[in-house]
Amino acid sequence: GQNIDQPTEMTATEGAIVQINCTYQTSGFNGLFWYQQHAGEAPTFLSYNVLDGLEEKGRFSSFLSRSKGYSYLLLKELQMKDSASYLCAVSPLGTPLVFGKGTRLSVIA
Amino acid sequence: DTAVSQTPKYLVTQMGNDKSIKCEQNLGHDTMYWYKQDSKKFLKIMFSYNNKELIINETVPNRFSPKSPDKAHLNLHINSLELGDSAVYFCASSQAHKSYEQYFGPGTRLTVT
Repeated sequence: GQNIDQPTEMTATEGAIVQINCTYQTSGFNGLFWYQQHAGEAPTFLSYNVLDGLEEKGRFSSFLSRSKGYSYLLLKELQMKDSASYLCAVSPLGTPLVFGKGTRLSVIA
Repeated sequence: DTAVSQTPKYLVTQMGNDKSIKCEQNLGHDTMYWYKQDSKKFLKIMFSYNNKELIINETVPNRFSPKSPDKAHLNLHINSLELGDSAVYFCASSQAHKSYEQYFGPGTRLTVT
């Protein structure tokens, strides 16, 4: 089966850096993905890791360690508009994406 | 132009009714999906469909059925609606070889009374 864990809520200050962790157990692995979902809106794709290491994309970076079943999403220079839920998702072999329950990030002034 | 669209945006109906939600994508994708997001914001896959294969999440009741008239459309039909069906339903699409990069529709908020 699949299991994905991430913190339910986090709060961070505008301009700061925040790291959102995700651990997973899957039967087979085709990659780990992060999505952003603002309240009342649809999820949007942020990043994709299939190999170990850090993938950087502007203010957002995502890290993967397959041996540890661990990923994190790093958000730098936080802005108020970054307040959203961040969903960790994995792609087990032969099946569609499985999403975690999401981490609700609140950015405060 | 809207990439993935769903209708209706809001749907309020009574228990026992049958309803459909429509989804259309103009991205030329070959795979479409239906997700259910409950009140706790847990996003769960219901169906994955391309012209070759339908993958059904085994936890989805058979009252739910996807219907695809063509590659650009995947509608969701729900029979005998129950209170627990109240949720936001998202349609999404992707290229088959890039299933991780899914484009979501705006969602349909279904309320069963």
